[in-house]
Amino acid sequence: EVQLVESGGGLVQPGGSLRLSCAASGFTFSGFEMNWVRQAPGKGLEWVSYISNMGSTIYYADSVKGRFTISRDNAKNSLYLQMNSLRADDTGVYHCARDFMGTGFDYWGQGILVTVSS
Amino acid sequence: QSALTQPASVSGSPGQSITISCTGTGSDVGGYNYVSWYQQHPGKAPKLMIYEVTTRPSGVSDRFSGSKSGNTASLTISGLQAEDEADYYCSSYTNSTTLYVVFGGGTKVTVL
Repeated sequence: EVQLVESGGGLVQPGGSLRLSCAASGFTFSGFEMNWVRQAPGKGLEWVSYISNMGSTIYYADSVKGRFTISRDNAKNSLYLQMNSLRADDTGVYHCARDFMGTGFDYWGQGILVTVSS
Repeated sequence: QSALTQPASVSGSPGQSITISCTGTGSDVGGYNYVSWYQQHPGKAPKLMIYEVTTRPSGVSDRFSGSKSGNTASLTISGLQAEDEADYYCSSYTNSTTLYVVFGGGTKVTVL
């Protein structure tokens, strides 16, 4: 069974940093591209970042470019999102999502809440 | 502001059919057959319902169908059931240099 489990969220002050992790199981992690998608409270889905299966290709949404860094460790079956210079509008639930051949996201984690507030 | 435009809400009675539209541009919906649809119940993770415009993943009811015409994609739910009440999001691959995937703003489906 495919499972994606996020961790590392919490309350952080504006300007602070957090590192999210996503532990993958039930599939060959190194064979799949991965993404982070977030959802502000009461709002819709927003794509945040993409990483190819070997980590050689990375994309970011403009809203996080220069502040967030996506990475992965295929030996540990883990995806990461380093978030720096956090702002109030970064508040939301962050999901990791498996990329289905570039056509959609077929498995999602339950998400982890990040709250940026003083 | 969301890149793809969806109606905020759609409602229907049990057994009826409803259609949710998703309007983009030639740089996303109109330019590629990589439109997908997601269902999200409150407090839950999104679930892939349709990919590549019309394809249902294994396990998704055939009451859900997708289509596309020009820059507008659509999701139709036939034989509406109470369990279909949820938020629905479309998404599309985009050739924008600043995005990889764009989502719609979401549509709340209410079963009357």
